[in-house]
Amino acid sequence: DIQLTQSPSFLSASVGDRVTITCRASQGISRYLAWYQQKPGKAPKLLIYAASTLHSGIPSRFSGSGSGTEFTLTISSLQPEDFATYYCQQLNSYPQTFGGGSKVEIK
Amino acid sequence: QLQLQESGPGLVKPSETLSLTCTVSGDSISSSRYYWGWIRQPPGKGLEWIGSIYYSGTPYYSPSLKSRVSISVDTSKNQFSLKLSSVTAADTALYYCARLHLSGSFDYWGQGTLVTVSS
Repeated sequence: DIQLTQSPSFLSASVGDRVTITCRASQGISRYLAWYQQKPGKAPKLLIYAASTLHSGIPSRFSGSGSGTEFTLTISSLQPEDFATYYCQQLNSYPQTFGGGSKVEIK
Repeated sequence: QLQLQESGPGLVKPSETLSLTCTVSGDSISSSRYYWGWIRQPPGKGLEWIGSIYYSGTPYYSPSLKSRVSISVDTSKNQFSLKLSSVTAADTALYYCARLHLSGSFDYWGQGTLVTVSS
């Protein structure tokens, strides 16, 4: 199975900050990576697929980059509604696997 | 607007079989090009993919659950289902059904249903 390691697992940030979360794969997955946002009590929400393609309706302050084994999710200017937990998911091969999550909290 | 809704017992006894159904509205499972899947999340923990299925194809299962899991489609009811046998407390989780986007990611999710395994 392909392992995904996210860092940091927790970060404290302020509204307006630029935030970057990293996802590292245990082997190359080309650009077969997605990012999700999950708020307490809610289902995950797809933000980005194919490493950098913004899903429909997602604000442009979210962006993704990377290929191979290292990927990043960037929020250019953190908004109050962005405080949540973020997960990466690899789509390169079965079993599809998720990272352990990165929780973004208010400083 | 596509909607998915999980249903099934919220409490299952150890060693028994967990059975959940996902009802899809706003699209036909048999006419779409999409796969459909199940994901679970133990309380306070991360996401785990359980398996995925195309309406007319072979399902794919997580190797760690493959011996106990079965996913099927009922096109007449526009539903797909999950069965997980021989459950233990480790199977206690929020279970989500979801649609796979063409990219392979999950673009539409149900609200999730909590299943507790306890005697």
